[in-house]
Amino acid sequence: GAGVSQSPRYKVAKRGQDVALRCDPISGHVSLFWYQQALGQGPEFLTYFQNEAQLDKSGLPSDRFFAERPEGSVSTLKIQRTQQEDSAVYLCASSPRHGVLEANEKLFFGSGTQLSVL
Amino acid sequence: SQELEQSPQSLIVQEGKNLTINCTSSKTLYGLYWYKQKYGEGLIFLMMLQKGGEEKSHEKITAKLDEKKQQSSLHITASQPSHAGIYLCGATTTSGTYKYIFGTGTRLKVLA
Repeated sequence: GAGVSQSPRYKVAKRGQDVALRCDPISGHVSLFWYQQALGQGPEFLTYFQNEAQLDKSGLPSDRFFAERPEGSVSTLKIQRTQQEDSAVYLCASSPRHGVLEANEKLFFGSGTQLSVL
Repeated sequence: SQELEQSPQSLIVQEGKNLTINCTSSKTLYGLYWYKQKYGEGLIFLMMLQKGGEEKSHEKITAKLDEKKQQSSLHITASQPSHAGIYLCGATTTSGTYKYIFGTGTRLKVLA
């Protein structure tokens, strides 16, 4: 596609429910990132994929968060047993290069999934 | 916690006025990026700065990076309602890293 696509745009979940958020990066982009953006805050890094390999998951806040990118394209961020503090916008970004961001490298962001946990 | 501090947190200006947004880091920045975020549209890349003292302009927006590479400013001249949104600075703090950090954002409203 022309840009990074995320679905759903909005998700309302009851506390304790499992959710799955989808990211479809720009075709051919090697690197894929997930960020979490709480209300009034900047995005915070969650995890990074190079093709299908998850090279960094240091930002995942708990073991309830799980991300995968099995074929090196579409990625899914899964949150188990959602809690109210999980409410945020989840942003996906991709870039065409692998690994290292060079000086002129920019990330291409999707519109995000706004998750509300009641 | 946010390693990049932005100021002000929010700004309301009359159309036609100039404004400046600042982004400060306690670490030397390798690459500094400015993004704009509108509701439902994700983050849109504006500009990237890498060299100390560098300045770039695009249309009515000018971004500068100080010589020490720890502070950047974004200046908008003759603001328009289309400039409204959230401005985010992002940065990489070491060469060869894939990890961006972001500031807290500045919410700009332009009154027509």
